[in-house]
Amino acid sequence: AQSVAQPEDQVNVAEGNPLTVKCTYSVSGNPYLFWYVQYPNRGLQFLLKYITGDNLVKGSYGFEAEFNKSQTSFHLKKPSALVSDSALYFCAVRAYSGAGSYQLTFGKGTKLSVIP
Amino acid sequence: DGGITQSPKYLFRKEGQNVTLSCEQNLNHDAMYWYRQDPGQGLRLIYYSQIVNDFQKGDIAEGYSVSREKKESFPLTVTSAQKNPTAFYLCASYDRVGTGELFFGEGSRLTVL
Repeated sequence: AQSVAQPEDQVNVAEGNPLTVKCTYSVSGNPYLFWYVQYPNRGLQFLLKYITGDNLVKGSYGFEAEFNKSQTSFHLKKPSALVSDSALYFCAVRAYSGAGSYQLTFGKGTKLSVIP
Repeated sequence: DGGITQSPKYLFRKEGQNVTLSCEQNLNHDAMYWYRQDPGQGLRLIYYSQIVNDFQKGDIAEGYSVSREKKESFPLTVTSAQKNPTAFYLCASYDRVGTGELFFGEGSRLTVL
C-alpha cells in the first residue's frame, strides 16, 4: 500500500531565509506526487506536482520541489520565505486503486511558521 | 468561475441527529471524493465516486453514507452511528483524463453538541 511521511509536524523559519518542508513516500510503480497548502478553515490549494521529467518542479507562489527517486523523497522548497507562507502543507502520492480509479494518499501535514 | 461549492460552512448538530453536507461541482469532473480532517491526522478518505450511481468506501466509511445521482453532486450524510463526527469535512473532484490533482472545496466544519 502507498504511504506518505512528513517527518516534521512544524517548521519554523525566519522571513527571507530559505525553507524546506520534507516528504518521503512509498508507492508501487512510478509515483505521481503533489504538494498542497491549506490556510486556516479553508480547503486545500494545489501548489505543484511531479509526474515525469525534470526532477525539479516549479509551482505556484515561488515554491519548488525536488524529486529524488533513490531517496523516495519530494521535498518542498522556497528560496526566500514570506510571512504569508505560514500555513499547513500536505504532501500526497497518487496510487491506482483498481477499476480505473485513483486515490491520493496524504501525509499528516507540516505546519510552517515564518517569523518576521 | 468553475469550482467546488460546499455548504454549509459551519454546522452544529445534536447527538443522535443525522446531517447532510452538500458538495456541488461545475468542473465536469467524473470523480468526487469526501475526506475528513482532524488535527494532526491529515486527510482520511471517507467515500469516493468515479461515475454517477456508483461509489466506494474509503478508509473510514463507517457511520457515513453518500449518493451520486448527478454528476455535479455528491452529498455526504453523517449518521448518528458515527461515534465522533466533530471534524472538518472536505469534498474534492478529479479529472480522470487529467494529470491527477484533486480540486478541493472550502470545507464544512461540523460540531456535535
